[in-house]
Amino acid sequence: DVKVTQSSRYLVKRTGEKVFLECVQDMDHENMFWYRQDPGLGLRLIYFSYDVKMKEKGDIPEGYSVSREKKERFSLILESASTNQTSMYLCASSGTGFSYNEQFFGPGTRLTVL
Amino acid sequence: SQKIEQNSEALNIQEGKTATLTCNYTNYSPAYLQWYRQDPGRGPVFLLLIRENEKEKRKERLKVTFDTTLKQSLFHITASQPADSATYLCALRAAGGFKTIFGAGTRLFVKA
Repeated sequence: DVKVTQSSRYLVKRTGEKVFLECVQDMDHENMFWYRQDPGLGLRLIYFSYDVKMKEKGDIPEGYSVSREKKERFSLILESASTNQTSMYLCASSGTGFSYNEQFFGPGTRLTVL
Repeated sequence: SQKIEQNSEALNIQEGKTATLTCNYTNYSPAYLQWYRQDPGRGPVFLLLIRENEKEKRKERLKVTFDTTLKQSLFHITASQPADSATYLCALRAAGGFKTIFGAGTRLFVKA
């Protein structure tokens, strides 16, 4: 079974802090994703990576950056956390071709910025 | 802009009945439509995928229909059980596109 793990389930940070959210998948998937999920808004794509060191912006990349130095690991960075970044952050991975459609999600990190 | 609409009101049904959830979309031509299940405090779990040229797909007690003319998908759970209680998300992807767009989900409660 694919397993996607995220570094923290709950995180509380202060405004202006630099925040790192890490995601690791164990199925050798090429594609990895970061989403945020807010009530009534569904999942919104922040960034997508299709290979090591390769990335594409999603719908809401402002205030975020990402890093993918190894195939299994995809990090989301909040350079200077703000209160409007309080949210649930979900990482996902998927294979290529038709398998791209089945995304495997991690358990999520609930981030609170005070 | 692209939009996915799922009923924001929770659906309450009795155990054993069929639950039907609706997903409508506008300003989009998806090649793939997916349904995910999400339990509270957890990440979504993939359930089913249906392609634009398929009308219906079944998996055990689940059935999905896809009407590209109406721009609508229906998700059915037959013989529902309390364990089916969760939020169900609809998701769409265009052919060749890397983005999957997700609806906000519909919460289902199945009473024993």
